[in-house]
Amino acid sequence: DAGITQSPRHKVTETGTPVTLRCHQTENHRYMYWYRQDPGHGLRLIHYSYGVKDTDKGEVSDGYSVSRSKTEDFLLTLESATSSQTSVYFCAISEFREETRTDTQYFGPGTRLTVL
Amino acid sequence: GDSVTQMEGPVTLSEEAFLTINCTYTATGYPSLFWYVQYPGEGLQLLLKATKADDKGSNKGFEATYRKETTSFHLEKGSVQVSDSAVYFCALSDRSGGYQKVTFGTGTKLQVIP
Repeated sequence: DAGITQSPRHKVTETGTPVTLRCHQTENHRYMYWYRQDPGHGLRLIHYSYGVKDTDKGEVSDGYSVSRSKTEDFLLTLESATSSQTSVYFCAISEFREETRTDTQYFGPGTRLTVL
Repeated sequence: GDSVTQMEGPVTLSEEAFLTINCTYTATGYPSLFWYVQYPGEGLQLLLKATKADDKGSNKGFEATYRKETTSFHLEKGSVQVSDSAVYFCALSDRSGGYQKVTFGTGTKLQVIP
């Protein structure tokens, strides 16, 4: 358990409204990620962060923005939600192990977002 | 770019049957390979991993061997249980541009019937 929580766990909203999803971690990991999961696509990276105020785009970043003002919190914002953004959103952290010099990602429980 | 291909599901097996879920990959470097499992309504949990060629990852009776010559990382279990019913994701990871880039397969749903 990498100490990752997401809120809310479920949300229903209407097209055109802003939505913010929160990811919180308790273990001071530097790297954090937002993915969306859709049938037939696996997980696709939206944005990632490599430190406080340091973020970058992933492969499906259009329509999303992120912020990281504290190490423990990574926020995903849909400025004006659309039905195509109905999905399950997962936050992840990356843990680096010196003995194998490899990274492993651990995931939060997910947020199910429905945009009507 | 990197890619992961895993067998289409759903896979339906009887309890105690042998399980194989195929996974092949393409990558330009020397990636680490992972299997994640997702139970209904939950996030992805790391099941096992292998970080270099010929490594075998194992956990909870599941095994997978990193085969560089065939670019494969097939998941196996000798005797499945109903509680193994879940979606399984194969993934590879490398450090592109300074961050850990993970590429996922599309997932294989396993249903085990009593």
